[in-house]
Amino acid sequence: SAVISQKPSRDICQRGTSLTIQCQVDSQVTMMFWYRQQPGQSLTLIATANQGSEATYESGFVIDKFPISRPNLTFSTLTVSNMSPEDSSIYLCSVEDQARGAYEQYFGPGTRLTVT
Amino acid sequence: DAKTTQPPSMDCAEGRAANLPCNHSTISGNEYVYWYRQIHSQGPQYIIHGLKNNETNEMASLIITEDRKSSTLILPHATLRDTAVYYCIVRSPGGGADGLTFGKGTHLIIQP
Repeated sequence: SAVISQKPSRDICQRGTSLTIQCQVDSQVTMMFWYRQQPGQSLTLIATANQGSEATYESGFVIDKFPISRPNLTFSTLTVSNMSPEDSSIYLCSVEDQARGAYEQYFGPGTRLTVT
Repeated sequence: DAKTTQPPSMDCAEGRAANLPCNHSTISGNEYVYWYRQIHSQGPQYIIHGLKNNETNEMASLIITEDRKSSTLILPHATLRDTAVYYCIVRSPGGGADGLTFGKGTHLIIQP
């Protein structure tokens, strides 16, 4: 299974600033996914990042707010721009790997963001 | 992705089998049933998946009804470390750009 690391693990930021979250995978993967988990809630998919192309965003998420980079097959970044307290969440990246005819998703440990 | 229905919470005594139900009555023929769990303050962890047949691995067993409209995740000997939110997800085989759609899951609490 893929091993995923994220940086930073947590941060406290002021409103109006931006934070870039890094996601590193120990193997080459085609698709990487970014999720948000607001306090007490389940995970919500933000976008899918394919190496070499623009990320695909889910309804309610836009590139200006959450720009994503995918420079190679083992790395991606998610930026949370012009932050407000409503952006306080855990942000997680994940990748897919194939096993027994279907795909499993593996998740990083998450980045806990608090916006004051 | 088809929707799933799970009880919001369950208790289970340590050492006993924990049986977590999931209803997915609108599942399509090529969709798999996946189970993930999220221990507090960690990323979700893959547990098991299946299509039609029952499946077992080192973590759990998955029992899928013959009509595939429901399933049960079984943790055979629950420990305190199994306390977590368990998510049942139905999805296509994957391999594309489909992320996972998480519902609210079942908060399983293992009692000492």
